[in-house]
Amino acid sequence: GQNIDQPTEMTATEGAIVQINCTYQTSGFNGLFWYQQHAGEAPTFLSYNVLDGLEEKGRFSSFLSRSKGYSYLLLKELQMKDSASYLCAVADSNYQLIWGAGTKLIIKP
Amino acid sequence: GAVVSQHPSRVICKSGTSVKIECRSLDFQATTMFWYRQFPKKSLMLMATSNEGSKATYEQGVEKDKFLINHASLTLSTLTVTSAHPEDSSFYICSASAGEGQETQYFGPGTRLLVL
Repeated sequence: GQNIDQPTEMTATEGAIVQINCTYQTSGFNGLFWYQQHAGEAPTFLSYNVLDGLEEKGRFSSFLSRSKGYSYLLLKELQMKDSASYLCAVADSNYQLIWGAGTKLIIKP
Repeated sequence: GAVVSQHPSRVICKSGTSVKIECRSLDFQATTMFWYRQFPKKSLMLMATSNEGSKATYEQGVEKDKFLINHASLTLSTLTVTSAHPEDSSFYICSASAGEGQETQYFGPGTRLLVL
């Protein structure tokens, strides 16, 4: 079956760095997405990786290793507004998105 | 760019009535639109995928006659919850992508439905 695993919840301190991991097992791979979702709101797009390596976009970076079925989202200089759920999703061979359950990130002062 | 709107944002209705939710891509043509349902503290559940001008593809377990989807144009898709019941109360979110394949999905703000 297809499976996306990410931690349920993480806690970090304002100003620090946090890494949210995502491992996947899917039938085919056509890219991995990270989305941010604040409570009560719809997800917003953060990043897309289809090739191995690190993609940096401001305070957020996303890494992909296709051979390991692994990705991480790195958030630097954490701000209180970064408190949200972070969803990992993989596009399978049919380009259908398989969603992880999301990681709730709690930022403490 | 890539703005998707959804209307209404909240709706409360009586059991047995029908509710229509609109999803619009404001600044791009959405070849494909997706409808999701999300329960509290749960991940997104894909309900159906629709391509402009063709019938929607429903996921297993989603009733086609209950959740009517119309993708009438490249900028508009509608989801109609027919004969709504309290168990249909949920957060419904649409997303749109500009092309087929591995295109990024951009989400609407969601519609919170409460059926009394």
